[in-house]
Amino acid sequence: KNEVEQSPQNLTAQEGEFITINCSYSVGISALHWLQQHPGGGIVSLFMLSSGKKKHGRLIATINIQEKHSSLHITASHPRDSAVYICAVKEYGNKLVFGAGTILRVKS
Amino acid sequence: DSGVTQTPKHLITATGQRVTLRCSPRSGDLSVYWYQQSLDQGLQFLIQYYNGEERAKGNILERFSAQQFPDLHSELNLSSLELGDSALYFCASSANRQGPDTGELFFGEGSRLTVL
Repeated sequence: KNEVEQSPQNLTAQEGEFITINCSYSVGISALHWLQQHPGGGIVSLFMLSSGKKKHGRLIATINIQEKHSSLHITASHPRDSAVYICAVKEYGNKLVFGAGTILRVKS
Repeated sequence: DSGVTQTPKHLITATGQRVTLRCSPRSGDLSVYWYQQSLDQGLQFLIQYYNGEERAKGNILERFSAQQFPDLHSELNLSSLELGDSALYFCASSANRQGPDTGELFFGEGSRLTVL
């Protein structure tokens, strides 16, 4: 079993839909990152969370430390949100472990 | 633009060769991280340097080595290259002003290595 599990693996949505990507992990962590990777390959850090909830524009990230679970929500999705979304957990000792990613396609 | 610069962007070489990938972190960032992204294994953490010292080690092969210089730029050296080393190599930096284990990550554009 992977230390970081993301679901779904693939997601196709219609423009305007509310999107949720989930991340579950099995180890103790000091922080959790949500990353976005566009087809060109570049990676952008969206959020770093250690508790609670963060919001940036149409993106919301939440984390439940007790349940070892985090969600990334995209409101009013747009085709430019099409990308791979990666959850990564920072274990104690600073090792970052990545999920396999969720491939999101938003159709207009 | 994340402020993290990686060179070269693309590199094609042959098996058995040695290459050096370079990373310049954001101005003032003390930590540099190296990651490998291959088609079959996804993203993997290789190694972290903090203010010139090795801080954490991940799945880095013995054929690979890295260092961080006094000006905080870092180099990842890959030797005795094999076909399976073909991958995207990312560098990230973070400020870590509260200590080596904190801070948001800023990624470079990556260096795409192809081993033929």
